[in-house]
Amino acid sequence: EVQLLESGGGLIQPGGSLRLSCAASGFNFRTYDMSWVRQAPGKGLEWVSSINDNGRIANYADSVKGRFTISRDNSKSTLYLQMNSLRAEDTAVYYCAKVDTAMVINFDYWGQGTLVTVSS
Amino acid sequence: QTVVTQEPSLTVSPGGTVTLTCASSTGAVTNVYFPNWFQQKPGQAPRTLIYSTTEKQSWTPARFSGSLLGGKAALTLSDVQPEDEADYYCLLYYGGAGYVFGGGTKLTV
Repeated sequence: EVQLLESGGGLIQPGGSLRLSCAASGFNFRTYDMSWVRQAPGKGLEWVSSINDNGRIANYADSVKGRFTISRDNSKSTLYLQMNSLRAEDTAVYYCAKVDTAMVINFDYWGQGTLVTVSS
Repeated sequence: QTVVTQEPSLTVSPGGTVTLTCASSTGAVTNVYFPNWFQQKPGQAPRTLIYSTTEKQSWTPARFSGSLLGGKAALTLSDVQPEDEADYYCLLYYGGAGYVFGGGTKLTV
């Protein structure tokens, strides 16, 4: 059974930093792309960042470029999101998602999310 | 900035059929955008229904189908059930620029 478990969320002051983790199990983590998607309270989904299977290619939404860094440790089956220079508008539930990109694009499995609140 | 547009809200009667659409500000949506469709109910994580325009997940009910319609990606729900009331989001792929979600459609049954 595929499982994605996010952690690391919490209350952080504006300008602060936070690192989210997503522990994966139930599939061969090192062979799949992974993504972070967020949802501000009462708002829609926003794609944040994606990383390819070997961690060498990453891309970011303009809203987080230069502040957030996605990474992965395939030996630990864990995805990360380092978030720096946090702003109030970064307040959201952050989901990690497994992405099948073998001839398709399929965001097939999602975690339950971790809440990040940026506030003084 | 690329914008993906969905109907903000739609209402359908039980047993009816409804089509949700997903348009791109860059032009017609085609298969190279690999449209994904997600269902989200209150307090829950999104659940993928459709990927790569028409493909269903193993858990996707048969009454859900994906297509391209008039330059947009489309999600059609047939024989709508009360449990289909939810928010629905589309996602489009823009190559090196990543992905963009639509604003979501609130479906009322």
